[in-house]
This record gives sequence, structure tokens and C-alpha cells, in this order.
Amino acid sequence: QKEVEQDPGPLSVPEGAIVSLNCTYSNSAFQYFMWYRQYSRKGPELLMYTYSSGNKEDGRFTAQVDKSSKYISLFIRDSQPSDSATYLCAMKGAGGTSYGKLTFGQGTILTVHP
Amino acid sequence: DGGITQSPKYLFRKEGQNVTLSCEQNLNHDAMYWYRQDPGQGLRLIYYSQIVNDFQKGDIAEGYSVSREKKESFPLTVTSAQKNPTAFYLCASSPRGRGSFETQYFGPGTRLLVL
Repeated sequence: QKEVEQDPGPLSVPEGAIVSLNCTYSNSAFQYFMWYRQYSRKGPELLMYTYSSGNKEDGRFTAQVDKSSKYISLFIRDSQPSDSATYLCAMKGAGGTSYGKLTFGQGTILTVHP
Repeated sequence: DGGITQSPKYLFRKEGQNVTLSCEQNLNHDAMYWYRQDPGQGLRLIYYSQIVNDFQKGDIAEGYSVSREKKESFPLTVTSAQKNPTAFYLCASSPRGRGSFETQYFGPGTRLLVL
């Protein structure tokens, strides 16, 4: 079983839809949670990061972490064609031997069509 | 402009050949990382370095080697021992500090193909 599970999709939605992307994980030591967006043949760019449980909002993007359920989500409101990309969740523990090591999900391919 | 550069964009390797992928950053970051990305498998950590002249193996280090002689540079060599090298290779860097969290910034990647 992988430490981080992410539905690879693909996910196709109409422009303006609310998109929900999710990851589950098994390692209870994970404390930091991130979402990266990756356009085709490009490097990932950091979208959101959160520490421990709770919500964080940035414009049209909201990240949620539920540590009790080991479940994280990224919501995209009013989705745009420019949001079409692969979305990767990533997470890491706090310090010690986990320093520098991010564990990634497989990535979800999202297409927003006009 | 500050950022991470990787070269070349595409690289072709012949059987039995070692090839080196370049990664340079001008962000003054202490830590640097190499990942491999295969379709449907996310990113897997090959090697990382927290400081000059020090580096650690990641999850899939076999068949790869690195050096960290300068803060700005972290080249990755794919050796002939790596039997399945075809993949998209990503370099990243991050600052140290602020407790144990560090945001990783990625370069544009190098696509390695075997002839």
C-alpha cells in the first residue's frame, strides 16, 4: 500500500464548476501538506501549503486537512480552462529523519473545458 | 530573475553510457533535491543535499550518483547501472529554517530517453 493515495483521474469539468481533488494517507507522522500544480512538460509549482489540520484559502483555491481521517482536499471554485493541469498532493513529517523528504501522490489530471 | 535551471531539456542515452543532468539555482537555497517522475507514479526522491559537500540517498538512489561541490549546483549522473532510466527528472531546492518546514521550488525538468 502506498503512503499517499491520489485518484489519477482524469477529471473533466465544465468551466465555472467547483472542483474537488483529494488525497488519503496512511502515515500519521505527516504534519505538512502541500498541493502542487504541474502543467504538461513543466516542473510543479507550489499552490498551497498547510500545517496540521484546518482550512486555508487563497483566491479561488481552498485547502483542507483532516488529520483524524488522514484526508486532504483541494477545492477550486469557478474553474477556468487555465486550471487544466496535473495536481499533485505532497506531505512530510516534522523534522528528524523526514527532513527534506516530501512524499507525493500520483497526481490527478484535470481538464476544464470551455 | 531568481530560479532553478535544468539542462538539457531533452537528453538521449545510449546503452552502457553514463549521462549527467545539470541543476543550478540562484535562490541562495541550502537544500537541493532530485526527483524522478514516471506516468501514474507521482514524484520519487532520488537524492537530496542539505548542505554543500553532503548528500543523502532517497527512495530510489540505485543507479544514480550526485555531487554537491557548490551551493548553487547539484548535478545528477545516471549511470549504466540504472536499467530503466527513461523518465522526467526534476530538480528542486528549498531554504532551511522556520522549523522543519521548507517549501520546495522546482526546475523545468529534463526528459531522458534511451536510444
